[in-house]
Amino acid sequence: EPEVTQTPSHQVTQMGQEVILRCVPISNHLYFYWYRQILGQKVEFLVSFYNNEISEKSEIFDDQFSVERPDGSNFTLKIRSTKLEDSAMYFCASSEQAGAAFMNTEAFFGQGTRLTVV
Amino acid sequence: DAKTTQPNSMESNEEEPVHLPCNHSTISGTDYIHWYRQLPSQGPEYVIHGLTSNVNNRMASLAIAEDRKSSTLILHRATLRDAAVYYCIPRGAGSYQLTFGKGTKLSVIP
Repeated sequence: EPEVTQTPSHQVTQMGQEVILRCVPISNHLYFYWYRQILGQKVEFLVSFYNNEISEKSEIFDDQFSVERPDGSNFTLKIRSTKLEDSAMYFCASSEQAGAAFMNTEAFFGQGTRLTVV
Repeated sequence: DAKTTQPNSMESNEEEPVHLPCNHSTISGTDYIHWYRQLPSQGPEYVIHGLTSNVNNRMASLAIAEDRKSSTLILHRATLRDAAVYYCIPRGAGSYQLTFGKGTKLSVIP
């Protein structure tokens, strides 16, 4: 069964360092997302990406964050200068449909990258 | 986004049916009702979705009230692997994101 894969599974970084979290969405999917979940809290939306541009982003997704699809298969989330409060599980997701059909389509999530900022 | 209300937690005995309720009284007529679950230390996983009619798949059944203000996710025979947090998420045209609430934490007792 096709799946979304994320690497690394766990990343430890020093405060102020840049990190790149990587995701390989399912190959024929058109819509890509990043979510995060701080320990013990809700899953929060960060950003959605379609047709090589951001289609929607939350207030959390400030100038420290960026996303890219560099080579047609990978989808990356970059945090420019990490803060302690960026420590969380980061989930990548993808879905097949775009446009009006997205409401009738499921999203597939990866297993997440646990980011620890020290 | 439509607001949802789910019980914080529920318990079920293994191999018994489980009915997980969700109230979404502000749902719009075109919003689909999606259910996802999150097993411990894993990413969210799609379970089922529907618009008006009841839906069945290999994982679960979804019963949608006639007025669409509530729905119930039915696990026909709970297994230990079904212990997870279950999220009811209305999904409409206004936004591409899934908005996760606190969900219902289901415990399955052997």
